[in-house]
Amino acid sequence: EVQLVESGGGLVQPGGSLRLSCAASGFTFSSYWMHWVRQAPGKGLVWVSRINGDGSSTSYADSVKGRFTISRDNAKNTLYLQMNSLRAEDTAMYYCARGGRNSLGPGDYWGQGTLVAVSS
Amino acid sequence: DIQMTQSPSSLSASVGDRVTITCRASQSISIYLNWYQQKPGKAPDLLIYAASSLQSGVPSRFSGSGSGTDFTLTISSLQPEDFATYYCQQSYSTSTFGGGTKVEIK
Repeated sequence: EVQLVESGGGLVQPGGSLRLSCAASGFTFSSYWMHWVRQAPGKGLVWVSRINGDGSSTSYADSVKGRFTISRDNAKNTLYLQMNSLRAEDTAMYYCARGGRNSLGPGDYWGQGTLVAVSS
Repeated sequence: DIQMTQSPSSLSASVGDRVTITCRASQSISIYLNWYQQKPGKAPDLLIYAASSLQSGVPSRFSGSGSGTDFTLTISSLQPEDFATYYCQQSYSTSTFGGGTKVEIK
């Protein structure tokens, strides 16, 4: 059974940093692209970042480029999102999602999300 | 960046109604359009991928069509468990979601 479990969310002050993790199980982690998607309270889904299976290719939404870094540890079956210079507008539920075996695939499995709140 | 425009943003419908939601891309995305259903407090669920392929386990009353820039999600006969918010997503060039369509009970 495919499972994705996010952790690392919490309350952080503006300008602070946080690292999110997504522990994956039930599939060959290194074979899949992985994504981070966020959702501000009461708002829609926003794609944040993606990474390919071996970690050599990454992409970011303009709103987080230069502040967030996606990475993965295939030995630990874990996806990460390092978030620096956090702003109030980064407050959201953050979901990790499994992509396809290529960059064109959909998010077919999602975690339950981890909540990030940026406030003083 | 590719922009995705969904319409309507909300609709009211009754059980048994046929419901259609549209999604338009700002440039051609071939068939790389996915549809998700999200219920309050839950993660999204994939319904349709590659414009018209039904995800395993999804009821056949859900269908998708389109290519290029214009796409449609159809629910042939709305069921009580279908009241939710629906999102389209392009996966052709990085990724972008539409703004969502909330389907409410009339």
